[in-house]
Amino acid sequence: QVQLQESGPGLVKPSETLSLTCTVSGGSITDYYWSWMRQSPGKGLECIGYIYHSGDIAYNPSLKSRVTMSMDTSKSQFSLKLTSVTSADTAVYYCARTTRQPEFWGPGILVTVSS
Amino acid sequence: DVVMTQSPLSLPVTLGQPASISCRSSQGLIYSDGNTYLNWFQQRPGQSPRRLIHKVFNRDSGVPDRFSGSGSGTDFTLIISRVEAEDVGVYYCMQGTHWPFSFGGGTKVEIK
Repeated sequence: QVQLQESGPGLVKPSETLSLTCTVSGGSITDYYWSWMRQSPGKGLECIGYIYHSGDIAYNPSLKSRVTMSMDTSKSQFSLKLTSVTSADTAVYYCARTTRQPEFWGPGILVTVSS
Repeated sequence: DVVMTQSPLSLPVTLGQPASISCRSSQGLIYSDGNTYLNWFQQRPGQSPRRLIHKVFNRDSGVPDRFSGSGSGTDFTLIISRVEAEDVGVYYCMQGTHWPFSFGGGTKVEIK
């Protein structure tokens, strides 16, 4: 059974960069698309973007200017960077397998933006 | 962007009774490959979303058969035929047809 685990700082200062990593175990990272989602009280569940090992990447237009995703297949990891964060970026961030019908999700990581 | 509208917001249900959740999309959800990428998720308190149904009516492995999905076009429904205590949580619909993919606002199922 595939497992996903998000990791990274739980506290980020305003205007700085949020950096998260998702580690995949129990399956090949090159066989599927992988997604980042987030959930906040104000905006509910939101798709941030997705990535495939071939370089196929898509970002939500609402965040596109601030988001970068990457993948390290040798470590079975994919990553998210979100620049110039504000309090509106405070949320639980999830990584998930596949995009159109996300099947497996990580437990999520709460990231708070505060000075 | 496609807006997903769920109703009701809150659904108090008596144990053993049915529950029905509606989800309406602002655009049709048939993708160019012929599939309709409409999913249903359950989120229990403190947990990540769990996929129950994909492509409108396909129940995921391990999901009790009291959960069923139906619909087409822009109108979709999740039905729990007989609510059990473990079904308490928030239910979300999600469309995976038009990028950016989007979720409904959620329906909170609670026991009366």
